Amino acid sequence: SQKIEQNSEALNIQEGKTATLTCNYTNYSPAYLQWYRQDPGRGPVFLLLIRENEKEKRKERLKVTFDTTLKQSLFHITASQPADSATYLCAPIGTGSNYQLIWGAGTKLIIKP
Amino acid sequence: DAGITQSPRHKVTETGTPVTLRCHQTENHRYMYWYRQDPGHGLRLIHYSYGVKDTDKGEVSDGYSVSRSKTEDFLLTLESATSSQTSVYFCAISDLGTSGGNEQFFGPGTRLTVL
Repeated sequence: SQKIEQNSEALNIQEGKTATLTCNYTNYSPAYLQWYRQDPGRGPVFLLLIRENEKEKRKERLKVTFDTTLKQSLFHITASQPADSATYLCAPIGTGSNYQLIWGAGTKLIIKP
Repeated sequence: DAGITQSPRHKVTETGTPVTLRCHQTENHRYMYWYRQDPGHGLRLIHYSYGVKDTDKGEVSDGYSVSRSKTEDFLLTLESATSSQTSVYFCAISDLGTSGGNEQFFGPGTRLTVL
């Protein structure tokens, strides 16, 4: 069955360093992969989309990579700040689908001052 | 922020009682989704709608029904609530669906506790 794995343990990073989160998927060939941010008590908020033919995508301090051979996406936050502390969800999307069936459980990121 | 509201925001109910959660949007988006989120699990799709009166099942639809009589409203009903349905429920909307990688906009969530 299709499976999405994100590190279930919280990731603690010192302020100013680069945080790297991992999303691995199996039995799945997504055409796109999205990353969302979720703060406690709130709904997820879209951050970035990367397509299968894109190796890397950047938005301000955020960078996402997509390796279809390794079946993995990496999400980087450079120059991290305490305000970046949140849970980050990855969501691979297949082609021709109008609904998002599978989501990663998310990785909690804690940026320490 | 996308105009999505959910009501109620919190609810405590007893096993066996019917419960209806409401999602209301002001964005005129075609697609609407109901998810549940539990610790250690990713968001799981319950039902979704691709237009007025057009709905389909998601991964965890057993025990849930939905209705969409207007573009702006998507109702989720638990016919007879069970303790396993204790969860946080999120509504999401999307103008073009997820095809093409279109993003979803999420509501604030409803925390439901079934005793």
